[in-house]
Amino acid sequence: AQSVTQLGSHVSVSEGALVLLRCNYSSSVPPYLFWYVQYPNQGLQLLLKYTSAATLVKGINGFEAEFKKSETSFHLTKPSAHMSDAAEYFCAVSESSNTGKLIFGQGTTLQVKP
Amino acid sequence: EAGVVQSPRYKIIEKKQPVAFWCNPISGHNTLYWYLQNLGQGPELLIRYENEEAVDDSQLPKDRFSAERLKGVDSTLKIQPAELGDSAVYLCASSAVQGTQAFFGQGTRLTVV
Repeated sequence: AQSVTQLGSHVSVSEGALVLLRCNYSSSVPPYLFWYVQYPNQGLQLLLKYTSAATLVKGINGFEAEFKKSETSFHLTKPSAHMSDAAEYFCAVSESSNTGKLIFGQGTTLQVKP
Repeated sequence: EAGVVQSPRYKIIEKKQPVAFWCNPISGHNTLYWYLQNLGQGPELLIRYENEEAVDDSQLPKDRFSAERLKGVDSTLKIQPAELGDSAVYLCASSAVQGTQAFFGQGTRLTVV
């Protein structure tokens, strides 16, 4: 069975600092991996997705993630945090390219301090 | 283009009462999903529709939950009777065809008292 583990339920960074949100997955087949962002009282918005092409995936708002098969990881990074990045971030895995049937991690709340 | 629309945004009901949530997907999207998001958790799929057909409802608690998607467009998710543990956010999403990006609505936050 597939699963996703997000390390750290809360991450706090200063504005301008590096953002690193960790995600490890478990899958018996080559996975498709996704990062979503959820702002307060909003639905989920897709940040980026990995679908077996380039291992380094660039997304919206300056975020990127690197697929590392040997580490079963798909960590999300952004070089410089903005106050507007404060939100909840979810890593998700799917067995196919169907982005609807997703298994989500528990989420990481990103706090950005001025 | 309008996104996925859900209503109501918030609902407070007493336990044992029925409740219904409505979802209007993006126009032309054949695939529709209902997800349950408990506080502090990631969303979990309840049911997936391809047009009018429920193709994956394995996670839907069928003793109290039901869903329908008439004419392959709007969808309704119902709980009867509601329990305290049903307090959560119910998210609807849609995609054009299976294998493409799913777009999420803002969700309905249900509180059962």
